[in-house]
Amino acid sequence: DAGVIQSPRHEVTEMGQEVTLRCKPISGHDYLFWYRQTMMRGLELLIYFNNNVPIDDSGMPEDRFSAKMPNASFSTLKIQPSEPRDSAVYFCASTSWGGVTQYFGPGTRLLVL
Amino acid sequence: GENVEQHPSTLSVQEGDSAVIKCTYSDSASNYFPWYKQELGKRPQLIIDIRSNVGEKKDQRIAVTLNKTAKHFSLHITETQPEDSAVYFCAASINDYKLSFGAGTTVTVRA
Repeated sequence: DAGVIQSPRHEVTEMGQEVTLRCKPISGHDYLFWYRQTMMRGLELLIYFNNNVPIDDSGMPEDRFSAKMPNASFSTLKIQPSEPRDSAVYFCASTSWGGVTQYFGPGTRLLVL
Repeated sequence: GENVEQHPSTLSVQEGDSAVIKCTYSDSASNYFPWYKQELGKRPQLIIDIRSNVGEKKDQRIAVTLNKTAKHFSLHITETQPEDSAVYFCAASINDYKLSFGAGTTVTVRA
C-alpha cells in the first residue's frame, strides 16, 4: 500500500488566494483526519470524517476553512481566502474502525505571503 | 475540551541514558493515550499507546505509564540511541479518534 497520499507537497500562494489541499487515505480506512502543525500551536486536529461524513469540525479555525470528503478515497481541505497566519504544515491521516493507529501522510507545507 | 500539557519541551541525554517525558490531561473521560514520534521533516508515527484500564505498557526500550487518579502519563525510553533523537508528542482521547496533542518534546541524544 502506498500509504496516505497528499498533494501538493508544497504550496506557496499570496494572501487572498484560494488554496486546496488534497488527501487520499489508505484503502479500506474509514476514518480521515486533517491536522495543522505550527511552531506556535503545535499539532491541532481540524476535522475528522467517518464513512465520508464529518464527525467533529470543532477544530476548524474559522469560516475560511472548509473540508469535504466526496468519496471514500478522496478528501479536500480548502482555505478561502488565505491569510499569512494560515502558513503551516497540513497533515492528513487515516485509520480504520476498530484500529487506533492514525497513519499520517507526508504533509503539505503551505506558505501564504 | 481536552487540554494536554507536556514537559519538558526539550531534553538532551547522553547516549545510553534514559529519557522521561511527562504529560497531564484535563478530561477524566479520556481513556486512550498514544505517543507519536516525529523525526525532522517527517510525519508523526505512533510508537506506543496505552488505555485507561492498564497502568503500564512496555515495548522493547520504550514504556508508558498511566496514573488515572492524577491524570498523568509518561513515556520512558531506556538505553537511548542516536536514532531516538526526534520530537515526541503525547495525546489523549475520549473516543480513540479525536486526539488532543501535547506541545511536543524535542529529544536530542548526544553521542
